[in-house]
Amino acid sequence: AQKITQTQPGMFVQEKEAVTLDCTYDTSDPSYGLFWYKQPSSGEMIFLIYQGSYDQQNATEGRYSLNFQKARKSANLVISASQLGDSAMYFCAINGGSQGNLIFGKGTKLSVKP
Amino acid sequence: ETGVTQTPRHLVMGMTNKKSLKCEQHLGHNAMYWYKQSAKKPLELMFVYNFKEQTENNSVPSRFSPECPNSSHLFLHLHTLQPEDSALYLCASSPINREMNTEAFFGQGTRLTVV
Repeated sequence: AQKITQTQPGMFVQEKEAVTLDCTYDTSDPSYGLFWYKQPSSGEMIFLIYQGSYDQQNATEGRYSLNFQKARKSANLVISASQLGDSAMYFCAINGGSQGNLIFGKGTKLSVKP
Repeated sequence: ETGVTQTPRHLVMGMTNKKSLKCEQHLGHNAMYWYKQSAKKPLELMFVYNFKEQTENNSVPSRFSPECPNSSHLFLHLHTLQPEDSALYLCASSPINREMNTEAFFGQGTRLTVV
């Protein structure tokens, strides 16, 4: 079975600073994908970034980067130059196994202070 | 806009009512999902459809009944719900759910309140 653990229920960051959101995972599958989603108060889940288990380099998408440490089974999200619009819930998810369904963590609520 | 549309956005229903949630995508995806998001809990996968066939039912009570008439539409029929079923119900779709790099595209959800 796969599992995602996000240990930070809430985080605060000052506008324009960087913030790291933690994610650890557990899986016995040799191939898997790791995802981060953002959920603003409107409710929709917005895909941010993807990291494959065999990718040699850390994924980057604009201000988002993923600090992937396979041996430690961690996939932390780094947001650089935080903006007020980054305030939202952030979910880490894993995709793998025979069904390949996305399994989510409990999320981290990020609040960006002006 | 993710290309996945859910209606209604909000729904209040009594425990004896019957209602349906609708999800629609025109992204050409072949996999569709229902997730339940309750307060302070992880998103719970409820049902998975691949090419209109149900491939997963995560021990969901029978008062929730999914229907997938075609690859673009997914319904969740609700009847005799309980107050603890109040939650945000999210629909998602993906090209095919057996690839490692396949992200799911989510709708905005239906916020359901059972009174």
